[in-house]
Amino acid sequence: GENVEQHPSTLSVQEGDSAVIKCTYSDSASNYFPWYKQELGKRPQLIIDIRSNVGEKKDQRIAVTLNKTAKHFSLHITETQPEDSAVYFCAASREGNMLTFGGGTRLMVKP
Amino acid sequence: DAGITQSPRHKVTETGTPVTLRCHQTENHRYMYWYRQDPGHGLRLIHYSYGVKDTDKGEVSDGYSVSRSKTEDFLLTLESATSSQTSVYFCAISGQRSGNTIYFGEGSWLTVV
Repeated sequence: GENVEQHPSTLSVQEGDSAVIKCTYSDSASNYFPWYKQELGKRPQLIIDIRSNVGEKKDQRIAVTLNKTAKHFSLHITETQPEDSAVYFCAASREGNMLTFGGGTRLMVKP
Repeated sequence: DAGITQSPRHKVTETGTPVTLRCHQTENHRYMYWYRQDPGHGLRLIHYSYGVKDTDKGEVSDGYSVSRSKTEDFLLTLESATSSQTSVYFCAISGQRSGNTIYFGEGSWLTVV
């Protein structure tokens, strides 16, 4: 089955700096890669996703890049703000199959 | 919120007692899932359903059973709760109406003492 590794497990940045979270996956047939943000005590919420037919996708301050050859994908947050502080999860699957999640990254943005 | 309601939201129960968590959805999504979330383990799939009376196991299904007698309801049962089942349980849905994206419910906090 699919295995997703996520790094780092914790990340601390100054407000205004960029943050990068990286994930690797094992199943070369995986073609759907979502990212979820989870605030303390809340549900995980989808913030961006990418499919294997594109290499990069942006949504305002958030971008995701995908390298299918190396089987890794990354979340980039620019101009970080205190409200970006949360736990972020990456996931991977073949379209229509079960998602496998990474272990999560706790992002702390210091004002 | 994708029309997902979980109940109860918080429960404390004793070891050995049965517990049922309910997930209710209002948007006729085909797929429903139960995940558990524990520190250091992220989100792990317990069971999922791909239609009424169609269910299958996830990666951490031991000690759990599920039922889906109606499209809108997916029940998770702990037959005899153990302390290792203390966790946060998230129901999730997906289907054509969600663009096959998974959306989560608000979670149920279960403590087994």
